[in-house]
Amino acid sequence: QSALTQPASVSGSPGQSITISCTGTSSDVGGYNYVSWYQQHPGKAPKLMIYDVSNRPSGVSNRFSGSKSGNTASLTISGLQAEDEADYYCSSYTSSSTLFVFGTGTKVTVL
Amino acid sequence: EVQLVETGGGLIQPGGSLRLSCAASGFTVSSNYMSWVRQAPGKGLEWVSVIYSGGSTYYADSVKGRFTISRDNSKNTLYLQMNSLRAEDTAVYYCAEGLSFDYWGQGTLVTVSS
Repeated sequence: QSALTQPASVSGSPGQSITISCTGTSSDVGGYNYVSWYQQHPGKAPKLMIYDVSNRPSGVSNRFSGSKSGNTASLTISGLQAEDEADYYCSSYTSSSTLFVFGTGTKVTVL
Repeated sequence: EVQLVETGGGLIQPGGSLRLSCAASGFTVSSNYMSWVRQAPGKGLEWVSVIYSGGSTYYADSVKGRFTISRDNSKNTLYLQMNSLRAEDTAVYYCAEGLSFDYWGQGTLVTVSS
């Protein structure tokens, strides 16, 4: 089971919107609505930002939104803020023996 | 408040064994899906293992046959027994609650080196 494909880096200016893609296959992203997104600041544990493709946990800013089309899921951060600068990972349930797969990770830089 | 605290990491020689613990509070381990996820230095996240509330266990191919996930309901604690450790197992190991990995511990570093 290969990792889901994410762009290595995405950047934007404060106030702008950015979108991070997460591309898999019909055996993972495309086959299930079990896609999640995590934010990880340096030296910290990951934090769940989106689950089941588009749901936000309590306490997560509504500037974060998720969607999916075919085998590609997306995370959009609107009104970009300095505190959003971090690494972001997607994950998906998969029909393979591995059960869960993460994305390669995307470094978000706020210019 | 949900809290997860991992312990048990350290420096271990290749071929050695180590047991990680994840003490939980604020919820019942046996009633939830509990996973181990690892992150090699400077690398991305890798799912390692999960134990379902019903007791079923699953493993990544990279650790199958070497690692064992378990839980102690009386201690509300999750474990990861790691045998035949290899250099490529060097990572920070996180425990996480929920099928969406809703909550994470702070992680414990395992270094496999001679």
